[in-house]
Amino acid sequence: QQQVKQSPQSLIVQKGGISIINCAYENTAFDYFPWYQQFPGKGPALLIAIRPDVSEKKEGRFTISFNKSAKQFSLHIMDSQPGDSATYFCAASFRGSTLGRLYFGRGTQLTVWP
Amino acid sequence: DTAVSQTPKYLVTQMGNDKSIKCEQNLGHDTMYWYKQDSKKFLKIMFSYNNKELIINETVPNRFSPKSPDKAHLNLHINSLELGDSAVYFCASSQQSRQGEQYFGPGTRLTVT
Repeated sequence: QQQVKQSPQSLIVQKGGISIINCAYENTAFDYFPWYQQFPGKGPALLIAIRPDVSEKKEGRFTISFNKSAKQFSLHIMDSQPGDSATYFCAASFRGSTLGRLYFGRGTQLTVWP
Repeated sequence: DTAVSQTPKYLVTQMGNDKSIKCEQNLGHDTMYWYKQDSKKFLKIMFSYNNKELIINETVPNRFSPKSPDKAHLNLHINSLELGDSAVYFCASSQQSRQGEQYFGPGTRLTVT
């Protein structure tokens, strides 16, 4: 059973546009929601993360929007650039749990055309 | 300085062989993981170790055996390799209290022919 569902599977955006990737989760005990960015031939890297006590977190051109009641969160990339072309993974975890782990979405391949 | 390193980066071998992948982290983390990423990019956790103790053991064939000689190292040994084992294997590490913040290695691309 997929604990975190991610869409779309692939996304093509023009340079300067807004990229939006959506995720939904089932387990209300999740309390940490990171996004990871993976470039071809590299390992995933933590990009930005949010906890459920806030509805939005912004870091530069990257923003996470969080809707606790709907059990959904999304990544917005403003002014998308060709260098943003990568695979993005949303995830969820139980922060602080000794038996915790990351539950990943299936990934979104973003292509930004110049 | 490389935070999480893996060797080798590429591994090409024949079916039935036994191979190992090594992982080392210099971040002082106490938890380490192995992930398998298939051709569709799906990241599947295989194992996690905390202070050399096995914490997570997902549904992985027992041909896969992790070994953690110390907190900074987690190796993966694979016996009797099969075609379906072809994938990219990632090592990662974190602090146990911050398991959502994982640092990944560069990956090992395993190709079984």
